[in-house]
Amino acid sequence: DTAVSQTPKYLVTQMGNDKSIKCEQNLGHDTMYWYKQDSKKFLKIMFSYNNKELIINETVPNRFSPKSPDKAHLNLHINSLELGDSAVYFCASSQDSGGSTDTQYFGPGTRLTVL
Amino acid sequence: GDSVTQMEGPVTLSEEAFLTINCTYTATGYPSLFWYVQYPGEGLQLLLKATKADDKGSNKGFEATYRKETTSFHLEKGSVQVSDSAVYFCALRVWDMRFGAGTRLTVKP
Repeated sequence: DTAVSQTPKYLVTQMGNDKSIKCEQNLGHDTMYWYKQDSKKFLKIMFSYNNKELIINETVPNRFSPKSPDKAHLNLHINSLELGDSAVYFCASSQDSGGSTDTQYFGPGTRLTVL
Repeated sequence: GDSVTQMEGPVTLSEEAFLTINCTYTATGYPSLFWYVQYPGEGLQLLLKATKADDKGSNKGFEATYRKETTSFHLEKGSVQVSDSAVYFCALRVWDMRFGAGTRLTVKP
């Protein structure tokens, strides 16, 4: 019954590799997000997708690319991984991107470690 | 731009102590305000929210009141438990969500 799920939970990889993180929500929400949380717990939004349309992109390097095969999934692809990409990545979803009252529901996070 | 400032931690309390975590915001529109909690090794969970001025959000003994005059949304709990140990995030949303830096709370028995 998990509302927002992510895989994998942990990802350890070498610099220069390409990796993907998957996210699925079963809440029927219209919008999904990716956040990056650094070692100091600071959360920064990376992307949001509404009905397969990118609506926010916060100065994220183009090595990062979100891909949404359908409304319930938003995967994050990262090319040429760098040490600074090490962080916890959270997926989230909300009912409607335009509503300020909408609650965002978060997945459990994926801890990415780049060696 | 829109932003949230919350008190720096870490905060360490004894069980049954009173908790206050301060949060103030700056917003150009009319934001909704949220408190999220992150337990160790887990994702963020919504704790409570308020969508307009003077609204009070409450959940699990936690409360916060949306104060437009002081642009604040302070989190309070009358008697904390060891199980409340977590990182607490204040957030606002006009269009996209803006989070504060998080406050780590440790409650000791």
